[in-house]
Amino acid sequence: DGGITQSPKYLFRKEGQNVTLSCEQNLNHDAMYWYRQDPGQGLRLIYYSQIVNDFQKGDIAEGYSVSREKKESFPLTVTSAQKNPTAFYLCASSMLGGPAKNIQYFGAGTRLSVL
Amino acid sequence: DQQVKQNSPSLSVQEGRISILNCDYTNSMFDYFLWYKKYPAEGPTFLISISSIKDKNEDGRFTVFLNKSAKHLSLHIVPSQPGDSAVYFCAASAGNTGKLIFGQGTTLQVKP
Repeated sequence: DGGITQSPKYLFRKEGQNVTLSCEQNLNHDAMYWYRQDPGQGLRLIYYSQIVNDFQKGDIAEGYSVSREKKESFPLTVTSAQKNPTAFYLCASSMLGGPAKNIQYFGAGTRLSVL
Repeated sequence: DQQVKQNSPSLSVQEGRISILNCDYTNSMFDYFLWYKKYPAEGPTFLISISSIKDKNEDGRFTVFLNKSAKHLSLHIVPSQPGDSAVYFCAASAGNTGKLIFGQGTTLQVKP
């Protein structure tokens, strides 16, 4: 079964704590992305990576960090510097070339709340 | 600056009728457009897309129209079904960046 797996589904963060959201894909996609969705808003890009060991900031990267040590994995860390972390976080992946290169496929999301 | 806009937060239609969801964009460099469907607490699901070299793409009950001069695209669902009730996002990309810019979404309710 090919797809994107995000874990955990729900996550709670205490004040001053860093938390890490997991994203794994077995679609053999080169590119991976992290988005944040707030109520009534669209998806905003946090970070993306087109190749292992390389990643770029999106529109709202402040307070977040990522790593891309393996093609299949793109974990997102929400640091204590992110003052408003409560949101629905979505991970996606896509091919870099070919006719489907612009189509991103999404995981089921992680809902992060602050205690 | 919102480069992709969905100005209607919600839309309600009767089952069997046509649903028309609209999307406007400002960046003339966008060359590929997509529609996603999203249920609550789930990730978006790809629905249909269109390249800027076309003005129409059809897939079953779903048709996307692109008007480049007006920087406007629309998604038509015919006939609408209750299972189509969801939030619909339009998205756009430019060149080979792979990055997508999303609109705010439109919540579609199809009433039986």
